Amino acid sequence: GAGVSQSPSNKVTEKGKDVELRCDPISGHTALYWYRQRLGQGLEFLIYFQGNSAPDKSGLPSDRFSAERTGESVSTLTIQRTQQEDSAVYLCASSLVPGTGGDEQYFGPGTRLTVT
Amino acid sequence: LAKTTQPISMDSYEGQEVNITCSHNNIATNDYITWYQQFPSQGPRFIIQGYKTKVTNEVASLFIPADRKSSTLSLPRVSLSDTAVYYCLVGGFYNQGGKLIFGQGTELSVKP
Repeated sequence: GAGVSQSPSNKVTEKGKDVELRCDPISGHTALYWYRQRLGQGLEFLIYFQGNSAPDKSGLPSDRFSAERTGESVSTLTIQRTQQEDSAVYLCASSLVPGTGGDEQYFGPGTRLTVT
Repeated sequence: LAKTTQPISMDSYEGQEVNITCSHNNIATNDYITWYQQFPSQGPRFIIQGYKTKVTNEVASLFIPADRKSSTLSLPRVSLSDTAVYYCLVGGFYNQGGKLIFGQGTELSVKP
């Protein structure tokens, strides 16, 4: 079946604009995760969804960041009033059964966001 | 939250066995240890996961001592295509709201 897909693959935006990043997880995966990866650095956890609810939002760096998930499927990560420090690759991952230890995460290719 | 520490970089040659150790002194009882591999411009890919002792799959082995404060990823007979960043991950998504934390990653360079 299809893997995790993300769109757009690249996004260039001006400082102060809002952006929406989309993630389509693997069908049937109940858990969905967003991460951020700055150039040359490791992954930074942002938020986790179990179904349509987000039990852990503690990784969101500021109130300019928000995310939602609908239909236990698609998720969107929204960044309002973008800043240059928001420039990074935003990665989405999904997993089948969280909480059992067997929560192997499948990652999408990421969206490269550049704020000018 | 369990923090991980691993070497920033390692060099190896084709055909050698590579062992990458990750320290996670504050690992919690419910936490699993997972390793991911990441190539440039790609998302990470799951390699192996374990809770204690030893786990082996077709790609790698994972050694976890009894105190679980560290783990070692072992890659047998590496090839040039194993050049990548390897991340050690500690945690688990359970009802208590556990958080996955990626280490800074180990950049493995395999030379001919």
